[in-house]
Amino acid sequence: EAQVTQNPRYLITVTGKKLTVTCSQNMNHEYMSWYRQDPGLGLRQIYYSMNVEVTDKGDVPEGYKVSRKEKRNFPLILESPSPNQTSLYFCASSPPSGSGRTRRYFGPGTRLTVT
Amino acid sequence: DQQVKQNSPSLSVQEGRISILNCDYTNSMFDYFLWYKKYPAEGPTFLISISSIKDKNEDGRFTVFLNKSAKHLSLHIVPSQPGDSAVYFCAAIGSWNGAGSYQLTFGKGTKLSVIP
Repeated sequence: EAQVTQNPRYLITVTGKKLTVTCSQNMNHEYMSWYRQDPGLGLRQIYYSMNVEVTDKGDVPEGYKVSRKEKRNFPLILESPSPNQTSLYFCASSPPSGSGRTRRYFGPGTRLTVT
Repeated sequence: DQQVKQNSPSLSVQEGRISILNCDYTNSMFDYFLWYKKYPAEGPTFLISISSIKDKNEDGRFTVFLNKSAKHLSLHIVPSQPGDSAVYFCAAIGSWNGAGSYQLTFGKGTKLSVIP
C-alpha cells in the first residue's frame, strides 16, 4: 500500500531533550516536506527536500533540523525542544514534477507535547 | 502576511444541500490550487485541484471554481453528506522562483459540519 508513515504518533517530552520524528514513504517520491498544524494558524511548512541531500527552509524553520540521506526517509530533528514547538506535525511527499504542481501525500501526523 | 485566506472558520449545512467553501489569495503568482480534507487524528487527504488555465474542475460531487481576476476560488459539494464533515484546507502553489514552485501554502481551514 502506498503510504507515508510517521513515528512516533504521539510524544510527550521535556524542554531541551533532543528528539527525532521519523518519516518514510514507499512511493519513490522525490519531494518530501514537514508541516506543523496549530489552532487558528492552519498548516505551515517547516522544511522541504526536493531530492536526496537537497533540503531548504520553509516558512517556520527555527528550532528544527532535517536530513535527507535516503530518498524514502526525511526525519525531523528537534535539537532542544521548547514548549512553543508543541504542535501536530505532518510529513508529506509528492511525485516528481518540474514545477512541483502535484498533490502532496500526507502522513497520519505526530502529536508532540513539550513540557 | 497571509497569502491564502479562508475567512470562514466554520460552516454548517443540511444534508443534501450544497456546501460552498471559499478561499481568497493575494499572490498573483499562484497558479495551481488544491483542496484538502482533514478528519481529526488523520493527515490531510487530497480532494481536488485546479490549474490557473482553467476556471472549473469537477470530480463527482466536488467542483472547484477559480476566478483569477478576483483571486478567489470556491469548492462546491453537492449533495452534502454527513461523511463530508471535516476541516477543508485551501492550498496554493506558485512559480515566482525555483524554490517557490515547491512551496505549498495553506489557508487556515474551514470546518464543515453536515447536519443529518
